[in-house]
Amino acid sequence: DGGITQSPKYLFRKEGQNVTLSCEQNLNHDAMYWYRQDPGQGLRLIYYSQIVNDFQKGDIAEGYSVSREKKESFPLTVTSAQKNPTAFYLCASRMGAITGNTIYFGEGSWLTVV
Amino acid sequence: KNQVEQSPQSLIILEGKNCTLQCNYTVSPFSNLRWYKQDTGRGPVSLTIMTFSENTKSNGRYTATLDADTKQSSLHITASQLSDSASYICVVSAISNFGNEKLTFGTGTRLTIIP
Repeated sequence: DGGITQSPKYLFRKEGQNVTLSCEQNLNHDAMYWYRQDPGQGLRLIYYSQIVNDFQKGDIAEGYSVSREKKESFPLTVTSAQKNPTAFYLCASRMGAITGNTIYFGEGSWLTVV
Repeated sequence: KNQVEQSPQSLIILEGKNCTLQCNYTVSPFSNLRWYKQDTGRGPVSLTIMTFSENTKSNGRYTATLDADTKQSSLHITASQLSDSASYICVVSAISNFGNEKLTFGTGTRLTIIP
């Protein structure tokens, strides 16, 4: 089936550790995004990439890093520099960053710092 | 500052009843408005996308309206079903100075359908 696959679904991290969330899409989409969702807040953009080997910071990039070595993959690393990493993380993609294109979301990853 | 406000924050209705969710925005320059449905613990799913020139768009039992003059949108759900229980998120798009599309997400309305 075509879609966006995020893994793992649930992840626990100790303070001071880096963790990487995987996002893979087989929709042949050019643009990919990472959002963070916290209770009572709207989704906030962490990073986005419009083409391979290029990515841009979103509104809350501090403490996060990404790579885009392949069109179908856009992993997100949550570093120890992120002060409040516990959240629900959503990966999204769409065919080009064209206004009005439907944005498709993955099923999300829950990250909890213990 | 671009903002999207949704009301009510939560809503409980009986199965089979209709309901209307509201979205007010202060986003400029406006490009389009989207409604998403998000089940608990899952990713959002697109319901509708509306541009400036569209004032109504339907997707099955979901009908979205847009009044670009008053900067308001509504999502009407007809003959609600238990599977409609979810959060409904309004997303408004603006075009940045560099021509990129910037999305502002509302906090959502939590809808619960009871039998």
